[in-house]
Amino acid sequence: ETGVTQSPTHLIKTRGQQVTLRCSSQSGHNTVSWYQQALGQGPQFIFQYYREEENGRGNFPPRFSGLQFPNYSSELNVNALELDDSALYLCASSLGRGQFNEQYFGPGTRLTVT
Amino acid sequence: GQQVMQIPQYQHVQEGEDFTTYCNSSTTLSNIQWYKQRPGGHPVFLIQLVKSGEVKKQKRLTFQFGEAKKNSSLHITATQTTDVGTYFCAGRTSNTGKLIFGQGTTLQVKP
Repeated sequence: ETGVTQSPTHLIKTRGQQVTLRCSSQSGHNTVSWYQQALGQGPQFIFQYYREEENGRGNFPPRFSGLQFPNYSSELNVNALELDDSALYLCASSLGRGQFNEQYFGPGTRLTVT
Repeated sequence: GQQVMQIPQYQHVQEGEDFTTYCNSSTTLSNIQWYKQRPGGHPVFLIQLVKSGEVKKQKRLTFQFGEAKKNSSLHITATQTTDVGTYFCAGRTSNTGKLIFGQGTTLQVKP
């Protein structure tokens, strides 16, 4: 196992609601990246946080926002949930924000929006 | 925008047969990584390739990075049932950690 944990494991929300997902990075890692993985697709990059600052963002609307704390754990917040937001949300931790860093994924949070 | 394409989408093989998945990027990559995701699981890092023409082996798995750094392949020799899962390539083009994933190739192995 990677040592990356995520909570909750599963979540069911109603369209229009807001959700917060949490990630604890592997010990010693200061960078967290968030991905959305729809069924049958590859993970899509949402954004990355390095030392509490956003360090790159994918093609996701502003209602997807994040936060990284001094202990390098992170949150992903999604406002005004839509049905298409139903997916597996993965966080991955790494040491540093460089382009050659290996990323270690957590088990994911399965979000269902009804 | 940048795209990473993988083929085939699915592959069914008899145990003992070989398997190859191919990855192509629309732009030159600085590096490429390969991940394996078991059904119901999360992506697990396999390897990273950085140099043009690089070839790396892990037991029965052989990874290649193209000379132009726009394509890559993963070859598994003599598949086993434990090889079942979806294999993703993921590439980077910039100095950020942003990874662009392919759609994955799902491998089924019949015993």
